[in-house]
Amino acid sequence: DIQLTQSPSFLSASVGDRVTITCRASQGISSYLAWYQQKPGKAPKLLIYAASTLRGGVPSRFSGSGSGTEFTLTISSLQPEDFATYYCQQLNNYLFTFGPGTKVDIK
Amino acid sequence: QITLKESGPMLVKPTQTLTLTCTFSGFSLSSTGVGVGWIRQPPGKALEWLALIYWDDDKRYSPSLKNRFTITKDTSKNQVVLRMTNMDPVDTATYYCAHLRWSGKFRWFDPWGQGTLVTVSS
Repeated sequence: DIQLTQSPSFLSASVGDRVTITCRASQGISSYLAWYQQKPGKAPKLLIYAASTLRGGVPSRFSGSGSGTEFTLTISSLQPEDFATYYCQQLNNYLFTFGPGTKVDIK
Repeated sequence: QITLKESGPMLVKPTQTLTLTCTFSGFSLSSTGVGVGWIRQPPGKALEWLALIYWDDDKRYSPSLKNRFTITKDTSKNQVVLRMTNMDPVDTATYYCAHLRWSGKFRWFDPWGQGTLVTVSS
């Protein structure tokens, strides 16, 4: 099974900060990675798929990059509505895996 | 517009079987390339993928939970059902269903249902 790790697991940041979250896969998954945002008490929402393709309607301050085993989600200028937990998910084969999540909190 | 909604009991006893239904609109599960997945999230913990069913009735399960789960679809009712046997308190979680999209070899879940909290307790 492909395992995903995320770092950091928690980060404290201020509005306007540039934030980078890393997701690593235990084996190469090409670009078969998606990123989701989840706010407390709500269902996850898709941000990025195919590692770097922004879902329509998602602000351009979000971006994704990477391939193989290392991926990043970047928020170029953190906004108040971005404080949430972010999950990566690999979709390389017929079995899916989520990362453990990164919680972005207000400093 | 695609919407999904989960339904089922809020409380089950240990060893019982849980049946959850995902009722959706805005797409047909008989259309090529469509899928519906189930994902759960224990309180305060991470997301865990459980199962997926495709338009052609291909089914995939999480290896760690495979023997306890059955996923089926009723295309005429626009529903996907997840059945879980031998429920345990560790199965207490919010259960989500989600629409699987894909393009080429890429697949992702979008959108998700609102989720339903299931508590396993005697």
